[in-house]
Amino acid sequence: QKEVEQNSGPLSVPEGAIASLNCTYSDRGSQSFFWYRQYSGKSPELIMSIYSNGDKEDGRFTAQLNKASQYVSLLIRDSQPSDSATYLCAVNQPRSGGFKTIFGAGTRLFVKA
Amino acid sequence: GAGVSQSPSNKVTEKGKDVELRCDPISGHTALYWYRQSLGQGLEFLIYFQGNSAPDKSGLPSDRFSAERTGGSVSTLTIQRTQQEDSAVYLCASSLFSLGVYNEQFFGPGTRLTVL
Repeated sequence: QKEVEQNSGPLSVPEGAIASLNCTYSDRGSQSFFWYRQYSGKSPELIMSIYSNGDKEDGRFTAQLNKASQYVSLLIRDSQPSDSATYLCAVNQPRSGGFKTIFGAGTRLFVKA
Repeated sequence: GAGVSQSPSNKVTEKGKDVELRCDPISGHTALYWYRQSLGQGLEFLIYFQGNSAPDKSGLPSDRFSAERTGGSVSTLTIQRTQQEDSAVYLCASSLFSLGVYNEQFFGPGTRLTVL
């Protein structure tokens, strides 16, 4: 089992729809969860971070964390073609002496105009 | 303030040559990471540094790869005797480290390495 798992996609949604991206993680002791967006040929950029159970909203983006079920999700409302990118989930997992950030392989999202 | 910078942005080398890639992290960030990303693939963790602690080298793919971080700031990733399979984008990221937890990472623009 991978430490951080994401469906590789591609996930295709029409413009204006809600895109739902999911991520599961293996270690119950994980803390600090992040979503990054990576456009083709560019570096990843942080779009959301979440640290406690529940929802966190920022504009059209909502991150959801459920530690009991060990999943974190990202919802994108009113999806736009400019949202087409690969979305990376990252999780801080415990290691001796602290934590280590583990990235998922990413989900490719296509928003059709 | 300035973000993470990397140099060179592109590097073309011949098989068997050594290359050095440089990363300047965000000022004040004590954690620094190196990743490799091949075309269409995810991030492959290589190494990270945190303050004066021994680096986590668990991701380095072979002993041809090494990295150092001088003065807790600038880092250099060295690849000796490059092979064609080393061709990839090499990404550097930095983050704050507090209370035993790494915060969000900020990525540099990457160095695209091509080994002919």
